[in-house]
Amino acid sequence: QVQLVQSGAEVKEPGASVKVSCKASGYTFTDYYIHWVRQAPGQGLEWMGWINPNSGGTTYAQKFQGRVTLTRDTSISTAYVELTSLRSDDTAVYYCAGADWAGKKDFDYWGQGTLVTVSS
Amino acid sequence: DIQMTQSPSSLSASVGDRVTITCRASQGIRSDLGWYQQKPGKAPERLIYAASSLQSGVPSRFSGSGSGTEFTLTISSLQPEDFATFYCLQYSTYPRTFGQGTKVEIK
Repeated sequence: QVQLVQSGAEVKEPGASVKVSCKASGYTFTDYYIHWVRQAPGQGLEWMGWINPNSGGTTYAQKFQGRVTLTRDTSISTAYVELTSLRSDDTAVYYCAGADWAGKKDFDYWGQGTLVTVSS
Repeated sequence: DIQMTQSPSSLSASVGDRVTITCRASQGIRSDLGWYQQKPGKAPERLIYAASSLQSGVPSRFSGSGSGTEFTLTISSLQPEDFATFYCLQYSTYPRTFGQGTKVEIK
């Protein structure tokens, strides 16, 4: 069965960086984009960007340009999001989703989420 | 950025009720829209893609319609497990944007 398993919760100080991983299994990792979405406590969903695991190509939401980097390691079917210069309002649950959003395939699977807390 | 506005923001309904949630886009997005259900402490799960296509494994009481700027999610007969928050997502342009959510609560 398709699974995306994310790394564990993180606590970081303001100004630090965090890197969250997302390991995919049960399908061909390079067949579908990996999207990253975050959700602040009690708030809605916010799209951060995607990576094409096949080519490594990325697209980022303008809001995160310069602070976020999406990468992948195809040898271990794992995608990563790194966010730098953390602020308190970056406190959120970060989700990865292996999905076909632009096409017509009903492939859409999410990781369990990783809580990142930014606090001094 | 395309703004996605859901209505209502919350509603109370009883088991067996027919429920309709609306999502309006600030500009046309063809049929590039999905609907998601999120339960507390869980990741979102997609119900509908391409505005009206039912995700595999999702009960047929869920349906979606619309194109352009106005879309609806309908639950034909609300079940106890359907109480959750629902989000629409547009994937027509960048950045991808979600609606603010509609919380469906038990009356």
